[in-house]
Amino acid sequence: GAVVSQHPSWVICKSGTSVKIECRSLDFQATTMFWYRQFPKQSLMLMATSNEGSKATYEQGVEKDKFLINHASLTLSTLTVTSAHPEDSSFYICSATPGTGGWGEAFFGQGTRLTVV
Amino acid sequence: KNEVEQSPQNLTAQEGEFITINCSYSVGISALHWLQQHPGGGIVSLFMLSSGKKKHGRLIATINIQEKHSSLHITASHPRDSAVYICAVASMEYGNKLVFGAGTILRVKS
Repeated sequence: GAVVSQHPSWVICKSGTSVKIECRSLDFQATTMFWYRQFPKQSLMLMATSNEGSKATYEQGVEKDKFLINHASLTLSTLTVTSAHPEDSSFYICSATPGTGGWGEAFFGQGTRLTVV
Repeated sequence: KNEVEQSPQNLTAQEGEFITINCSYSVGISALHWLQQHPGGGIVSLFMLSSGKKKHGRLIATINIQEKHSSLHITASHPRDSAVYICAVASMEYGNKLVFGAGTILRVKS
């Protein structure tokens, strides 16, 4: 099946620093990728929809300036957590769907466990 | 009420048992996904269904569009099947976003 690679798989950073997470579709192109956050024992929560070549669409309550998303190519979207705080510690995961618009079968990255100390 | 309801929330089975996880939804859908999340966190897409039934190895997924219900079956369960199984629906009502169930935590004991 299609592969989505997410990097890093885990990261520990100090409060106030920024962390960049990459999501790559390895064997297909995707105009749309999705970024999720997952708290312990909870399901996935959509943070934003990443659109290639245009601005991301953020869900209500998600700070655009805090979680910067860049989708510069058809195979790469990045999520940057800026000025990280301990409450940003969480599991972040991306998904991508081959083709245009984000419809169809979703393929997920391995996830990134962020710990802010 | 959540748009996507899964049952049971937790399930413990003995190795070899036949397992069923249920998913009910309240909106019109274009597709339903079954996902598997292992303790490390990574998510694997098991099935995408819009009608009927699909089978892959020991896994079977069925969907009844009229009843707005889907089931995931695992035959001859094995401890390596232990994971969280998540139902997610794609609906025109939500654009291209998936709406997720809360997940079913499955533990298969040897």
